[in-house]
Amino acid sequence: EVQLVESGGGLVKPGGSLRLSCEASGFSFNSFCMHWVRQAPGKGLEWVSSITSTSDYIYYADSVKGRFTISRDNAKNSLHLQVNSLRAEDTAVYYCARDLTSTTVTIPDVWGKGTTVTVSS
Amino acid sequence: QLVLTQSPSASASLGASVKLTCTLSSGHSNYAIAWHQQQPEKGPRYLMKVNRDGSHTKGDGIPDRFSGSSSGAERYLAISSLQSEDEADYYCQTWGAGIQVFGGGTKLTVL
Repeated sequence: EVQLVESGGGLVKPGGSLRLSCEASGFSFNSFCMHWVRQAPGKGLEWVSSITSTSDYIYYADSVKGRFTISRDNAKNSLHLQVNSLRAEDTAVYYCARDLTSTTVTIPDVWGKGTTVTVSS
Repeated sequence: QLVLTQSPSASASLGASVKLTCTLSSGHSNYAIAWHQQQPEKGPRYLMKVNRDGSHTKGDGIPDRFSGSSSGAERYLAISSLQSEDEADYYCQTWGAGIQVFGGGTKLTVL
């Protein structure tokens, strides 16, 4: 079964940091681009960051550029998102998602259940 | 700027059909899009890719009741024989130059 399981969320003060992780199973992780997408409470989906299968290309939304860092460890079938300088507006459920392709970020076709990040003093 | 526009809400009766619309911004009418479903308190689920010519490719296990089509800058998701579990938020999504864009979502209520 293809599965993505996120972890690492929690309550953090403004300005704080977290490292989100996504463990993949049931498919050849090193053959797919990956994404992080978030959803603030009561709001829609917002793309955060994407990475190609070999980490050659990395992309960020303007809202997180310079504060968030996406990475992957193909040997461990894992995706990560280092989130620094957190703000109240970063409060959201963070979803890990697999792309349809390996070299060009296009469509997330498998989604995890998400991990919740709450930024509050 | 690449933008997707969706109506905030739609409703239809149990057993009926509904067609949701996603509109691409000016200058982007050739883009393909994807539809994703999010049931209450769940993560999103990929439904299908809809190309500019109206052809569509569905994700694994997506029922035949779901179909896609296109007209100009509009991309559609049609759902027939509505069931209670179809009550959900539906998001369209597209991409370009590494950027992903989501529409604001349509909340579908099954009456």
